[in-house]
Amino acid sequence: NAGVTQTPKFQVLKTGQSMTLQCAQDMNHNSMYWYRQDPGMGLRLIYYSASEGTTDKGEVPNGYNVSRLNKREFSLRLESAAPSQTSVYFCASRGPLNTEAFFGQGTRLTVV
Amino acid sequence: AQSVSQHNHHVILSEAASLELGCNYSYGGTVNLFWYVQYPGQHLQLLLKYFSGDPLVKGIKGFEAEFIKSKFSFNLRKPSVQWSDTAEYFCAVSRYGGSQGNLIFGKGTKLSVKP
Repeated sequence: NAGVTQTPKFQVLKTGQSMTLQCAQDMNHNSMYWYRQDPGMGLRLIYYSASEGTTDKGEVPNGYNVSRLNKREFSLRLESAAPSQTSVYFCASRGPLNTEAFFGQGTRLTVV
Repeated sequence: AQSVSQHNHHVILSEAASLELGCNYSYGGTVNLFWYVQYPGQHLQLLLKYFSGDPLVKGIKGFEAEFIKSKFSFNLRKPSVQWSDTAEYFCAVSRYGGSQGNLIFGKGTKLSVKP
């Protein structure tokens, strides 16, 4: 049981480049989340999807877009990367009502 | 909107000392509460959770937390820490039931345990 799988694990981008972070879960969860983690800031919610076909903005959505491709997959896209988007990105999924979230291993993104 | 406040940024303890990490949340309704741990270089793992019932919740590795509704608090405790507990600890809150919406985290508390 793989749980939540994120790709890639590491990425270096130049300012202005675009990329998509992929996330897939095999637990049949409805809800999926994207967070960024920065030193001293904890985890900040970028976007979440409560169910297939729906997405909502979190605390820090600017500069990002998401796609809930199907129930398994939730991707995060940076259209024009900026150095301020250098961070560790975590995807998470969550099952039925009142259950905990499960996290992927993270993507360490550096924008130069 | 929900928010979570963790009181300590960095806590340094010697092995066998007792631990208490503070967590307060802001939300008017019924909540789910969580503590997650992140060991260096790893992803977040669940330590314990509270949904309803007994406000004293026991988790893995000897950790426990107490939900005090009147204080909007969910403090994490461990009677005797070990060097292997060195990690960052995150408190999180979400709305009870509903559409599984926002899951909001605090800024984390880094715990360093000296051998």
